[in-house]
Amino acid sequence: DIVMTQSPDSLAVSLGERATINCKSSHSVLYNSNRKNYLAWYQQKPGQPPKLVIYWASTRESGVPDRFSGSGSGTDFTLTISSLQAEDVAVYYCQQYYDSPWTFGQGTKVEIK
Amino acid sequence: EVQLVESGGGLIQPGRSLRLSCAASGFTFGDHAMGWVRQAPGKGLEWVCFIRSKGYGGTTEYAPSVKGRFTISRDDSKSIAYLQMNSLKTEDTAVYYCTRGGGYSDYWGQGTLVTVSS
Repeated sequence: DIVMTQSPDSLAVSLGERATINCKSSHSVLYNSNRKNYLAWYQQKPGQPPKLVIYWASTRESGVPDRFSGSGSGTDFTLTISSLQAEDVAVYYCQQYYDSPWTFGQGTKVEIK
Repeated sequence: EVQLVESGGGLIQPGRSLRLSCAASGFTFGDHAMGWVRQAPGKGLEWVCFIRSKGYGGTTEYAPSVKGRFTISRDDSKSIAYLQMNSLKTEDTAVYYCTRGGGYSDYWGQGTLVTVSS
């Protein structure tokens, strides 16, 4: 199974500042034939189901604010919130869908400093 | 508007069976893969399984932790996905989310709680 490891486990950022979450996979999730990274990011607020934020490592889901961006390739990926807003407080998960079983990172909790 | 509504959760004894349902609306159900993801109380997300659309063979994939015990199925005429869970264990206790998509999940239901306890 592909192991997804996120860092840090939690971070506190001031309003308006940048938040950066890392995700590392134990195997490349880049499919060479189409040059796509099979990596998604989700946001989960307390008491709510997860919400898709980014797919194909860097494609923002419709309706997601452009302060959210995804980057990286192969085994190393980053979710960046360029200017943290109060409504961005949540746990964020990365997920690979390159190889079954799909696997999630352990989650990163983002809070306001 | 896409909606996924799970039902069928509850308290069940270890070793027993339970079937979850996911009623979908707002999209052409038969065109999409459907799946289940679970979350144990206070824990992270765990992918459980998915079923491809008939157009892609309707085949299934399972997490090792549930393979051989859980079965996902679909009724495209009713726009419902099912999760049959047999030989339940205490470690299967979780909120079970129905999801749309066979890779990334672009829509999620609100979830249904399954508690396995004697």
